[in-house]
Amino acid sequence: NAGVTQTPKFQVLKTGQSMTLQCAQDMNHEYMSWYRQDPGMGLRLIHYSVGAGITDQGEVPNGYNVSRSTTEDFPLRLLSAAPSQTSVYFCASSLGTSGRLTYEQYFGPGTRLTVT
Amino acid sequence: KQEVTQIPAALSVPEGENLVLNCSFTDSAIYNLQWFRQDPGKGLTSLLLIQSSQREQTSGRLNASLDKSSGRSTLYIAASQPGDSATYLCAVGDSNYQLIWGAGTKLIIKP
Repeated sequence: NAGVTQTPKFQVLKTGQSMTLQCAQDMNHEYMSWYRQDPGMGLRLIHYSVGAGITDQGEVPNGYNVSRSTTEDFPLRLLSAAPSQTSVYFCASSLGTSGRLTYEQYFGPGTRLTVT
Repeated sequence: KQEVTQIPAALSVPEGENLVLNCSFTDSAIYNLQWFRQDPGKGLTSLLLIQSSQREQTSGRLNASLDKSSGRSTLYIAASQPGDSATYLCAVGDSNYQLIWGAGTKLIIKP
């Protein structure tokens, strides 16, 4: 199993550009999520999905879109990049859609994004 | 709103010592609490997951406890080794499919 994979590892964007961060998992997990990690702060949830075709907003969804057309893939789209979106982005997946996060979460290696 | 705090932000101890990392949270109505490890430039690795009905979990030299009534969890590391150097994060699972994260404790084990 490759686990959770993310591409690219690094990206530099100019303000106003758009891009898609890719996330895939091969563990047949129903739950997938995107977090951003900023220095000195805990991770913050951007969007999450409890299964194919179902997505919802987390704590900081503005400026980001997601879709979940398959169980395996959960891409994160930046619509019009802003310097405030400079961060490290992590994708995670886990089992379980019972309404409780009772299962271990697996994380990808992260994408380091810089917006100039 | 749930808030998670980890103190201290950084800790440096000699190899071989037993140590305790702290995590506190403001709302006791949690579903679970997880401890993660993050190495520089890497993703996060789950260490221990404690369900809300449990008091503690153990894995090797690691032991995590949970006291919901006082809003506290501790991660105990026995016989620390240089390879334990990393940032340790705790995260609380609340009732809305979300993990609320602390900012982490950066641990350095000196040989």
